Amino acid sequence: GAVVSQHPSWVICKSGTSVKIECRSLDFQATTMFWYRQFPKQSLMLMATSNEGSKATYEQGVEKDKFLINHASLTLSTLTVTSAHPEDSSFYICSASRGTSNQPQHFGDGTRLSIL
Amino acid sequence: KNQVEQSPQSLIILEGKNCTLQCNYTVSPFSNLRWYKQDTGRGPVSLTIMTFSENTKSNGRYTATLDADTKQSSLHITASQLSDSASYICVVTLTGGGNKLTFGTGTQLKVEL
Repeated sequence: GAVVSQHPSWVICKSGTSVKIECRSLDFQATTMFWYRQFPKQSLMLMATSNEGSKATYEQGVEKDKFLINHASLTLSTLTVTSAHPEDSSFYICSASRGTSNQPQHFGDGTRLSIL
Repeated sequence: KNQVEQSPQSLIILEGKNCTLQCNYTVSPFSNLRWYKQDTGRGPVSLTIMTFSENTKSNGRYTATLDADTKQSSLHITASQLSDSASYICVVTLTGGGNKLTFGTGTQLKVEL
């Protein structure tokens, strides 16, 4: 149980394009979803936390107008990278939890984003 | 300074051998400590989870220990297999932190024939 599906797994697009990444909890209701970014050989960096039905909370230094997050249902959150540039190329990973600190975060398999 | 430090940064061992990975943390107070395995190009997968009152937790060939007094944890891998090659990440959850995780720097393990 507790499967999180992330789509797409890999995307290559031209600079200036907006890219949407989906994160779905397949067999549980996720009141909270998290979006992370990971550069090669580095640890995951939290970008934002989203709770179903409310606005996402962004970490310091993360542009909310650049990285649009929508958590419209208990099983789906989306991250849209708007007007992507080469420096946005990274590995984006989502996680989902039932909400409280004692509930584990279940991670998706990530999305490799490459901006040409 | 990272609040969760891991060592070694990387490690190469022969198949069948045992190894121990270390994690030192300064995050306090914490709700729980988890060890994750992350294969290249994949998301992290939970191996073990321990609250501050637990000293050890096993999951197959993986055994994690926790010393809340010294704020140290270790992950011991027994009879390593080629498929154990991955990054192992120590992750601490803050109490009252809204389920936010503090990630360690990771140990890159390579198991060779």
